Amino acid sequence: GAVVSQHPSWVICKSGTSVKIECRSLDFQATTMFWYRQFPKQSLMLMATSNEGSKATYEQGVEKDKFLINHASLTLSTLTVTSAHPEDSSFYICSARPRNTEAFFGQGTRLTVV
Amino acid sequence: RKEVEQDPGPFNVPEGATVAFNCTYSNSASQSFFWYRQDCRKEPKLLMSVYSSGNEDGRFTAQLNRASQYISLLIRDSKLSDSATYLCVVNPSWDSSYKLIFGSGTRLLVRP
Repeated sequence: GAVVSQHPSWVICKSGTSVKIECRSLDFQATTMFWYRQFPKQSLMLMATSNEGSKATYEQGVEKDKFLINHASLTLSTLTVTSAHPEDSSFYICSARPRNTEAFFGQGTRLTVV
Repeated sequence: RKEVEQDPGPFNVPEGATVAFNCTYSNSASQSFFWYRQDCRKEPKLLMSVYSSGNEDGRFTAQLNRASQYISLLIRDSKLSDSATYLCVVNPSWDSSYKLIFGSGTRLLVRP
């Protein structure tokens, strides 16, 4: 099946710093990728839809200036959490769909802000 | 009303039991449907797609009722390793740039 790779799998950072998370589609081109956040014991929450070559579409309540998304190529989308705070600590997951199929997920990034 | 609704559970069942999960969706024009499994602190993984005629994969059976906008997953002969959260997922469009709609998940605990 299709493979989506996410990096890093975990990161600890100091409050106020920025963290970049990468999401790559390894064997297919993804014009669209999706970024989710999941707090402990809660469901996946879609944050934004990343569009190759254009601006991301953010879900209601997600600050676009805090969660910067760049989708500069057909195989790479990045999510940068800017000026991270402890409340941003969460599990961030990306996904993509090759053609009209199911979604494949990256392995997720566990962010801890101290 | 949520676009995809599931009973959050948890369902606590003994090994060998049969357990069924239900899911309803609000968009009658939805195109395709899936069940995903998510283990604790891991990414979701596709368990099976759901077809109009119903489909089976080993101990797992999925069914779709478009008229009632209802999807089900049946797990027979539960194993300890089936303990996980099961996510009902609806595809509103064949366009792959469209986001899939996830239910909040049903948690299953299989006990010895």
